[in-house]
Amino acid sequence: AQSVTQLDSQVPVFEEAPVELRCNYSSSVSVYLFWYVQYPNQGLQLLLKYLSGSTLVKGINGFEAEFNKSQTSFHLRKPSVHISDTAEYFCAVSVSVKGAQKLVFGQGTRLTINP
Amino acid sequence: DTAVSQTPKYLVTQMGNDKSIKCEQNLGHDTMYWYKQDSKKFLKIMFSYNNKELIINETVPNRFSPKSPDKAHLNLHINSLELGDSAVYFCASGGALSQYFGPGTRLLVL
Repeated sequence: AQSVTQLDSQVPVFEEAPVELRCNYSSSVSVYLFWYVQYPNQGLQLLLKYLSGSTLVKGINGFEAEFNKSQTSFHLRKPSVHISDTAEYFCAVSVSVKGAQKLVFGQGTRLTINP
Repeated sequence: DTAVSQTPKYLVTQMGNDKSIKCEQNLGHDTMYWYKQDSKKFLKIMFSYNNKELIINETVPNRFSPKSPDKAHLNLHINSLELGDSAVYFCASGGALSQYFGPGTRLLVL
């Protein structure tokens, strides 16, 4: 069964510093991978997704992620963070079920940006 | 226009009551979902409907009953609410390998 592990529950960084949020997945078949962001008291917003093709995926708000099949990872990066990036970040793998795409989420990583 | 909307945003109720949460999407998707986010922020799928047909039911207690009157709406009815049902419930709508989430309904059972 597909599963997702986010290796860090909390990541504190200073403003304008680079950040990497780690995500590993397990799957025996081709995977579709996603990163979502959840700002306080809000819903989930899609940051980026990997479906196929280039392993480096660019998303919104300056985020990017690299799909690494040999290491079964899909780490999220941003070269310079801003206070407004403070949020919970979720990595997810998509599992196809009778035409629907069930998202299996990691435990989430709370990113805190300090001034 | 809001792509996926849910009502109500907050729901506070007593144990044993029955309540409903409504969800509507205007994205034209055939597939809609309900997810539950617990107090530790963990997200787990509950149900999925494709064009009004139930296709995913993730071992959710039968006190929870989703209903889809048309493909733009997926409502969640919960009978005999328990303390453990307190959570944030998210509706989502799915297109080609992407899902778009509503703002969530925060349910507190006292």
